[in-house]
Amino acid sequence: NAGVMQNPRHLVRRRGQEARLRCSPMKGHSHVYWYRQLPEEGLKFMVYLQKENIIDESGMPKERFSAEFPKEGPSILRIQQVVRGDSAAYFCASSPSNPPSLYEQYFGPGTRLTVT
Amino acid sequence: AQSVSQHNHHVILSEAASLELGCNYSYGGTVNLFWYVQYPGQHLQLLLKYFSGDPLVKGIKGFEAEFIKSKFSFNLRKPSVQWSDTAEYFCAVKASYGNNRLAFGKGNQVVVIP
Repeated sequence: NAGVMQNPRHLVRRRGQEARLRCSPMKGHSHVYWYRQLPEEGLKFMVYLQKENIIDESGMPKERFSAEFPKEGPSILRIQQVVRGDSAAYFCASSPSNPPSLYEQYFGPGTRLTVT
Repeated sequence: AQSVSQHNHHVILSEAASLELGCNYSYGGTVNLFWYVQYPGQHLQLLLKYFSGDPLVKGIKGFEAEFIKSKFSFNLRKPSVQWSDTAEYFCAVKASYGNNRLAFGKGNQVVVIP
């Protein structure tokens, strides 16, 4: 049973470029969460999605960041016009439904974004 | 919103020593509590979780944690550590009902010296 997959594992972008981070949840999971970890900090919640729905985006920066989880394919976290402060590890997690609150979240290996 | 405090960010121990990592949270409602571990170069893995029932929870690899509701704490313990326990440990909390977002502490970097 494959775990949560994230790619790329490492991503380098110059300031002003776009970053696209992909997350495939565990098989049978329909809930996806994105977290960001800055150096020397714990993980901070960004957004919670179900297929084709954003459930909670209270942790997303208001500008340049967006997320989607289409009916087919992985969840995408998109960062436009990256700045140095976006350099961080971005983790995706998934959980089953029925209901999701009864389950723990399973984490992927993360994508380390470096903005030069 | 929930918040989590973990103290003593860097912990260095010798093998066979006992380990206790503190975790305190702030939230007025019913919570679910978790300890995750991140071994070097690996992703976060669940060590143990508390949803309800017996407040003393046993997890994998000999770890246990005790939920003390009156102290808003969920401390992690292991009686005798091994070199392979070198890792970063994160405490996390979420509200039992409503949003599913986890609030994490800053983590404890634990180094076990052989």
